[in-house]
Amino acid sequence: DAGVIQSPRHEVTEMGQEVTLRCKPISGHDYLFWYRQTMMRGLELLIYFNNNVPIDDSGMPEDRFSAKMPNASFSTLKIQPSEPRDSAVYFCASSFMLSVAGANVLTFGAGSRLTVL
Amino acid sequence: AQTVTQSQPEMSVQEAETVTLSCTYDTSENNYYLFWYKQPPSRQMILVIRQEAYKQQNATENRFSVNFQKAAKSFSLKISDSQLGDTAMYFCAFMNPNFGNEKLTFGTGTRLTIIP
Repeated sequence: DAGVIQSPRHEVTEMGQEVTLRCKPISGHDYLFWYRQTMMRGLELLIYFNNNVPIDDSGMPEDRFSAKMPNASFSTLKIQPSEPRDSAVYFCASSFMLSVAGANVLTFGAGSRLTVL
Repeated sequence: AQTVTQSQPEMSVQEAETVTLSCTYDTSENNYYLFWYKQPPSRQMILVIRQEAYKQQNATENRFSVNFQKAAKSFSLKISDSQLGDTAMYFCAFMNPNFGNEKLTFGTGTRLTIIP
């Protein structure tokens, strides 16, 4: 398996523009997580899905942020309009949750570094 | 809500030495999982080791081992025979596997530097 695939790896945009980050989870994983990492706040959970359904979006900072998971193999995180304080590394991770070996372990993508000017 | 505390922002050791990173957590749950993740300069988050709270035996993975003290809510990581490639940020993380809470809560990290 190729692991969790995120795109783009780097994104530089201007304030006010729409940003879309994409994630392909590992096949067979039924959980997908979006995390944001900044120097000030560390790693924060934004939202997570189970079987394509959002379970907890309490970490989404404001209405400018939205996330979707239209099917088991694809998710997007959208920021519209973007602001300089959104600059961060955004990680997608996936896992499966069963009482078997290897379960409950999040596998992370390489992250998308977003810079909003 | 669960919290994870890493009290050592930075550490450095000589190559081949042993180093221990500390982590404490707060929870009222009895069943949970604890993890150490490594983040090298490439920024990729890599699982180092995992511990189930119901297991009394400390987890080990080659040069990496943990000291899990459930009553004290402590979960330290020991790296033996440290190597230059161990230089990274290390994050301790907690997970409650009950439905609706299956998310990792991370500590603030410890930046470890292995000195040649």
